[in-house]
Amino acid sequence: EIVLTQSPVTLSVSPGERATLSCTASQSISDNLAWYQQRPGQPPRLLIYGASSRATDIPARFSGSGSGTDFTLTISGLQSEDFGTYYCQQYKEWPPWTFGQGTKVEIK
Amino acid sequence: QVQLVQSGAEVKRPGASVRVSCEAPGFNRNYIHWIRRAPGQGLEWMGIINPTGDTTNYAQQFQGRVTVTRDKYTNTVYMELTSLRTEDTAMYYCATNVSPANWYFDLWGRGTLVTVSS
Repeated sequence: EIVLTQSPVTLSVSPGERATLSCTASQSISDNLAWYQQRPGQPPRLLIYGASSRATDIPARFSGSGSGTDFTLTISGLQSEDFGTYYCQQYKEWPPWTFGQGTKVEIK
Repeated sequence: QVQLVQSGAEVKRPGASVRVSCEAPGFNRNYIHWIRRAPGQGLEWMGIINPTGDTTNYAQQFQGRVTVTRDKYTNTVYMELTSLRTEDTAMYYCATNVSPANWYFDLWGRGTLVTVSS
């Protein structure tokens, strides 16, 4: 089973600033990585797939990068609606599909 | 509107079973997954059912307690979890990959809250 480790666990950011979230895989997953945003009371929403491709209707301030074992989600110019918990997920080897433990982005 | 419609919240006693439904009109050719999020925890993949409903696969930690079935006539997928424990208190989601070639989850139900309490 591929294990994904996210850092940091919590990230405090002021509105308008940049947030950088990391996800490390226990073995190479090429670019088979997705990122999700989950706001309180809502289901997860797909942000990024293929490590760097934005999903439909996702703003350009969200960008993904990386390949192999190390991945980054960057949110440029954080807005109030961006606060929540972010998860990475691998789909290189399955089952099982695995998620990172999440990074909570909170208002500083 | 394209969506997955889940059943309402449930409250169960420890040791009981719960069945959660997910209506998936228009997705009879899609795999459907079940994923949960317990309070203070992350997302946890539970299992999958294929389009014809004759093949399933479950996460090891749920083997023997979870069963996913599919009614092709009503386009509804069910997830049953037995021998409930307080640690099973969670929001349960069904989700799918709209394009069969892509194994990430781009459509989610709104979730069903299952509370296990004595």
